[in-house]
Amino acid sequence: ELKVEQNPLFLSMQEGKNYTIYCNYSTTSDRLYWYRQDPGKSLESLFVLLSNGAVKQEGRLMASLDTKARLSTLHITAAVHDLSATYFCAVDRYYGGSQGNLIFGKGTKLSVKP
Amino acid sequence: DAGITQSPRHKVTETGTPVTLRCHQTENHRYMYWYRQDPGHGLRLIHYSYGVKDTDKGEVSDGYSVSRSKTEDFLLTLESATSSQTSVYFCAISDSSWYNEQFFGPGTRLTVL
Repeated sequence: ELKVEQNPLFLSMQEGKNYTIYCNYSTTSDRLYWYRQDPGKSLESLFVLLSNGAVKQEGRLMASLDTKARLSTLHITAAVHDLSATYFCAVDRYYGGSQGNLIFGKGTKLSVKP
Repeated sequence: DAGITQSPRHKVTETGTPVTLRCHQTENHRYMYWYRQDPGHGLRLIHYSYGVKDTDKGEVSDGYSVSRSKTEDFLLTLESATSSQTSVYFCAISDSSWYNEQFFGPGTRLTVL
């Protein structure tokens, strides 16, 4: 059974600092997704990572995927208050399959303070 | 924003009553999903659909049923609501099961008293 674990679950950062959120998953998978959720809002797609070594960047966020280690990271550079949100990673349940089932981590609640 | 709406947006109901939530999309995407979000659990898949009249169970399907009679509509029914089904329900759509970037609706907050 696929399990997805994120850490930390809560992260309080100072503006201008760098930090990394980790997403580990328990069985082989070849597709990983990152989402952002603001309080009381829906989820917004951030990154789609489809292969080992994939790296995507958007602004101050950079995501990477190591399928051999079953690990994805979301790196935050020089954090700003607007990045405060909950970040979820999700992994496709069926390796190479066509079911399209995502298993989500529990989320990392990020708070960026001045 | 992807054209996804959910109705109702908020609902309060009593234990034992039937409840139907609707997800409507204007993107003509093939795949549709229902999730529930609870504190400490992230999102969990309830049911999904891979075409009209084609549906399957997700992780937490007990107590829920779905129907999809048209591409644009995916209904989630709680046959007899229980307090454990108090949650925020999200609908999502995607146009590929492999490149499965899902786009989420605004959510429905359901309270079962």
